[in-house]
Amino acid sequence: QVQLQESGPGLVKPSETLSLTCTVSGGSVNSGSYYWSWIRQPPGKGLEWIGYVYYSGSTNYSPSLKSRVTISVDTSKNQFSLKLTSVTAADTAVYFCAREFTYYDPMTGIQPYYFDYWGQGTLVTVSS
Amino acid sequence: EIVLTQSPATLSLSPGERAILSCRASQSVSSYLAWYQQKPGQAPRLLIYDASKRATGIPARISGSGSGTDFTLTISSLEPEDFAVYYCQQRSNRPPWTFGQGTKVEIK
Repeated sequence: QVQLQESGPGLVKPSETLSLTCTVSGGSVNSGSYYWSWIRQPPGKGLEWIGYVYYSGSTNYSPSLKSRVTISVDTSKNQFSLKLTSVTAADTAVYFCAREFTYYDPMTGIQPYYFDYWGQGTLVTVSS
Repeated sequence: EIVLTQSPATLSLSPGERAILSCRASQSVSSYLAWYQQKPGQAPRLLIYDASKRATGIPARISGSGSGTDFTLTISSLEPEDFAVYYCQQRSNRPPWTFGQGTKVEIK
Protein backbone atom coordinates (compact mmCIF):
# COMPACT_ATOMS: atom_id res chain seq x y z
CA GLN A 1 0.00 0.00 0.00
CA VAL A 2 1.45 3.32 -1.05
CA GLN A 3 1.67 5.95 1.67
CA LEU A 4 2.71 9.60 1.45
CA GLN A 5 3.67 11.71 4.45
CA GLU A 6 4.28 15.45 4.48
CA SER A 7 6.76 16.99 6.89
CA GLY A 8 8.09 20.46 7.60
CA PRO A 9 7.57 23.55 9.75
CA GLY A 10 4.01 24.40 10.68
CA LEU A 11 4.78 28.10 11.07
CA VAL A 12 6.62 30.32 8.62
CA LYS A 13 7.23 34.05 8.87
CA PRO A 14 6.08 36.43 6.14
CA SER A 15 8.64 36.95 3.34
CA GLU A 16 10.44 33.72 4.26
CA THR A 17 10.54 30.40 2.40
CA LEU A 18 8.13 27.56 3.04
CA SER A 19 9.82 24.16 2.72
CA LEU A 20 8.01 20.83 2.84
CA THR A 21 9.05 17.25 2.12
CA CYS A 22 6.89 14.31 1.12
CA THR A 23 8.21 10.86 1.99
CA VAL A 24 6.84 7.99 -0.07
CA SER A 25 6.61 4.44 1.28
CA GLY A 26 5.28 1.31 -0.41
CA GLY A 27 6.28 2.71 -3.78
CA SER A 28 9.13 4.45 -5.57
CA VAL A 29 9.44 8.05 -6.75
CA ASN A 30 11.95 6.64 -9.23
CA SER A 31 9.14 5.00 -11.21
CA GLY A 32 8.33 6.39 -14.63
CA SER A 33 4.70 5.40 -14.06
CA TYR A 34 3.86 8.31 -11.75
CA TYR A 35 4.11 12.05 -11.32
CA TRP A 36 4.38 13.60 -7.86
CA SER A 37 2.33 16.68 -7.01
CA TRP A 38 1.72 19.31 -4.38
CA ILE A 39 -1.78 20.64 -3.78
CA ARG A 40 -2.93 23.12 -1.14
CA GLN A 41 -6.18 24.05 0.56
CA PRO A 42 -6.62 27.30 2.51
CA PRO A 43 -8.71 26.83 5.66
CA GLY A 44 -12.37 26.36 4.75
CA LYS A 45 -11.70 26.72 1.04
CA GLY A 46 -11.14 24.62 -2.08
CA LEU A 47 -8.16 22.84 -3.60
CA GLU A 48 -5.37 24.45 -5.61
CA TRP A 49 -2.82 22.50 -7.63
CA ILE A 50 0.70 23.86 -7.11
CA GLY A 51 2.76 21.72 -9.45
CA TYR A 52 4.35 18.35 -10.14
CA VAL A 53 7.70 16.66 -10.61
CA TYR A 54 8.59 13.56 -12.59
CA TYR A 55 11.28 11.09 -11.54
CA SER A 56 13.57 12.59 -14.20
CA GLY A 57 13.35 15.97 -12.47
CA SER A 58 11.11 17.62 -15.04
CA THR A 59 8.50 19.90 -13.51
CA ASN A 60 5.37 21.88 -14.24
CA TYR A 61 3.95 24.63 -12.05
CA SER A 62 0.75 26.58 -11.70
CA PRO A 63 1.21 29.90 -13.52
CA SER A 64 -0.09 31.81 -10.48
CA LEU A 65 2.75 30.44 -8.31
CA LYS A 66 5.43 29.72 -10.90
CA SER A 67 7.69 32.62 -9.94
CA ARG A 68 7.91 31.44 -6.31
CA VAL A 69 7.76 27.63 -6.51
CA THR A 70 10.36 24.91 -6.84
CA ILE A 71 9.49 21.20 -6.68
CA SER A 72 12.30 18.67 -6.69
CA VAL A 73 12.73 14.93 -6.31
CA ASP A 74 15.34 12.97 -4.32
CA THR A 75 15.25 9.39 -5.55
CA SER A 76 17.92 8.26 -3.04
CA LYS A 77 15.62 9.19 -0.15
CA ASN A 78 12.36 8.34 -1.96
CA GLN A 79 11.14 11.89 -1.33
CA PHE A 80 10.03 14.96 -3.20
CA SER A 81 9.98 18.50 -1.91
CA LEU A 82 8.27 21.88 -2.20
CA LYS A 83 9.82 25.30 -1.75
CA LEU A 84 7.66 28.41 -1.86
CA THR A 85 9.48 31.72 -1.48
CA SER A 86 8.34 35.13 -0.24
CA VAL A 87 5.29 33.78 1.56
CA THR A 88 2.40 35.92 2.79
CA ALA A 89 -0.69 35.20 4.87
CA ALA A 90 -2.43 34.15 1.64
CA ASP A 91 -0.14 31.10 1.56
CA THR A 92 -1.58 29.78 4.82
CA ALA A 93 -3.09 26.42 3.91
CA VAL A 94 -3.08 22.68 4.38
CA TYR A 95 -0.48 21.37 1.96
CA PHE A 96 -1.02 17.91 0.48
CA CYS A 97 1.41 15.80 -1.49
CA ALA A 98 -0.15 13.38 -3.96
CA ARG A 99 0.70 10.78 -6.57
CA GLU A 100 -0.59 11.14 -10.11
CA PHE A 101 -0.92 7.94 -12.04
CA THR A 102 -0.20 8.13 -15.75
CA TYR A 103 -1.32 6.99 -19.16
CA TYR A 104 0.58 6.52 -22.40
CA ASP A 105 -0.27 8.87 -25.25
CA PRO A 106 1.11 7.63 -28.61
CA MET A 107 1.84 11.22 -29.65
CA THR A 108 3.33 12.66 -26.46
CA GLY A 109 4.39 9.67 -24.33
CA ILE A 110 3.77 9.24 -20.61
CA GLN A 111 1.30 11.84 -19.31
CA PRO A 112 0.06 12.65 -15.80
CA TYR A 113 -3.49 11.57 -15.17
CA TYR A 114 -5.27 11.87 -11.82
CA PHE A 115 -4.41 11.89 -8.11
CA ASP A 116 -4.84 8.41 -6.68
CA TYR A 117 -2.87 8.58 -3.43
CA TRP A 118 -2.61 11.56 -1.08
CA GLY A 119 -0.77 12.40 2.09
CA GLN A 120 -2.81 13.36 5.13
CA GLY A 121 -1.87 17.02 4.69
CA THR A 122 0.04 19.44 6.88
CA LEU A 123 -1.12 22.87 7.98
CA VAL A 124 1.34 25.67 7.32
CA THR A 125 0.54 29.03 8.88
CA VAL A 126 2.27 32.19 7.70
CA SER A 127 2.49 34.61 10.58
CA SER A 128 5.03 36.70 12.40
CA GLU B 1 -6.76 28.37 -17.21
CA ILE B 2 -9.93 26.28 -17.24
CA VAL B 3 -12.46 27.27 -14.59
CA LEU B 4 -14.76 24.62 -13.11
CA THR B 5 -18.05 25.72 -11.58
CA GLN B 6 -19.87 23.31 -9.30
CA SER B 7 -23.52 23.46 -8.33
CA PRO B 8 -25.20 23.55 -5.99
CA ALA B 9 -22.86 24.77 -3.27
CA THR B 10 -24.77 22.73 -0.71
CA LEU B 11 -27.14 19.80 -1.12
CA SER B 12 -29.32 18.88 1.87
CA LEU B 13 -30.63 15.34 1.58
CA SER B 14 -31.66 12.37 3.70
CA PRO B 15 -30.03 8.93 3.69
CA GLY B 16 -31.49 6.82 0.90
CA GLU B 17 -32.14 9.80 -1.38
CA ARG B 18 -30.46 10.41 -4.72
CA ALA B 19 -27.77 13.09 -4.99
CA ILE B 20 -27.00 14.80 -8.28
CA LEU B 21 -23.97 17.11 -8.39
CA SER B 22 -23.00 19.25 -11.36
CA CYS B 23 -19.66 20.49 -12.67
CA ARG B 24 -19.37 22.86 -15.62
CA ALA B 25 -16.09 23.70 -17.36
CA SER B 26 -15.32 27.07 -18.96
CA GLN B 27 -14.11 25.23 -22.07
CA SER B 28 -14.15 21.64 -23.24
CA VAL B 29 -12.07 19.17 -21.24
CA SER B 30 -13.23 16.23 -23.36
CA SER B 31 -13.68 13.42 -20.80
CA TYR B 32 -10.68 14.40 -18.70
CA LEU B 33 -12.60 15.03 -15.50
CA ALA B 34 -12.38 13.44 -12.07
CA TRP B 35 -14.46 13.59 -8.90
CA TYR B 36 -13.05 13.45 -5.37
CA GLN B 37 -14.70 13.10 -1.98
CA GLN B 38 -13.30 14.89 1.05
CA LYS B 39 -14.33 14.42 4.67
CA PRO B 40 -13.33 16.83 7.47
CA GLY B 41 -9.68 16.56 8.40
CA GLN B 42 -8.95 14.10 5.61
CA ALA B 43 -7.32 14.17 2.20
CA PRO B 44 -9.53 13.95 -0.88
CA ARG B 45 -10.26 10.47 -2.24
CA LEU B 46 -10.53 9.71 -5.94
CA LEU B 47 -14.00 8.45 -6.85
CA ILE B 48 -14.39 8.84 -10.61
CA TYR B 49 -11.91 9.55 -13.40
CA ASP B 50 -12.29 10.10 -17.12
CA ALA B 51 -15.80 11.36 -16.30
CA SER B 52 -17.33 7.91 -15.77
CA LYS B 53 -14.74 5.34 -14.65
CA ARG B 54 -14.92 4.28 -11.02
CA ALA B 55 -11.68 4.22 -9.09
CA THR B 56 -10.67 1.07 -7.24
CA GLY B 57 -13.04 0.17 -4.43
CA ILE B 58 -15.72 2.76 -5.25
CA PRO B 59 -19.24 1.32 -4.91
CA ALA B 60 -21.61 1.09 -7.85
CA ARG B 61 -24.06 3.55 -6.27
CA ILE B 62 -21.59 6.30 -7.23
CA SER B 63 -21.47 7.11 -10.93
CA GLY B 64 -20.28 9.87 -13.23
CA SER B 65 -21.35 11.07 -16.63
CA GLY B 66 -20.79 13.85 -19.12
CA SER B 67 -18.26 15.11 -21.60
CA GLY B 68 -17.10 18.40 -23.06
CA THR B 69 -18.18 21.06 -20.56
CA ASP B 70 -21.00 19.48 -18.53
CA PHE B 71 -20.53 16.70 -16.01
CA THR B 72 -22.61 15.03 -13.34
CA LEU B 73 -21.82 12.94 -10.29
CA THR B 74 -24.74 10.82 -9.11
CA ILE B 75 -25.06 8.95 -5.83
CA SER B 76 -28.09 6.75 -6.34
CA SER B 77 -28.95 6.16 -2.68
CA LEU B 78 -27.06 8.10 -0.04
CA GLU B 79 -25.35 6.13 2.69
CA PRO B 80 -24.24 7.80 5.96
CA GLU B 81 -20.61 7.74 4.81
CA ASP B 82 -21.47 9.71 1.64
CA PHE B 83 -22.09 12.98 3.48
CA ALA B 84 -19.00 14.98 2.61
CA VAL B 85 -17.65 17.62 0.21
CA TYR B 86 -17.19 16.67 -3.43
CA TYR B 87 -14.76 18.30 -5.87
CA CYS B 88 -14.42 17.97 -9.60
CA GLN B 89 -10.99 18.32 -11.22
CA GLN B 90 -9.91 18.63 -14.84
CA ARG B 91 -6.71 17.49 -16.49
CA SER B 92 -7.15 18.59 -20.06
CA ASN B 93 -4.37 18.82 -22.67
CA ARG B 94 -1.91 20.70 -20.52
CA PRO B 95 -1.52 22.07 -16.97
CA PRO B 96 -2.57 23.83 -14.84
CA TRP B 97 -4.96 21.27 -13.43
CA THR B 98 -7.88 22.97 -11.71
CA PHE B 99 -10.57 22.05 -9.21
CA GLY B 100 -14.13 23.19 -8.74
CA GLN B 101 -15.04 25.03 -5.56
CA GLY B 102 -16.82 22.00 -4.11
CA THR B 103 -20.35 20.83 -3.29
CA LYS B 104 -21.19 19.93 0.28
CA VAL B 105 -23.66 17.08 0.69
CA GLU B 106 -25.18 17.44 4.14
CA ILE B 107 -27.76 15.54 6.12
CA LYS B 108 -31.19 17.11 5.96
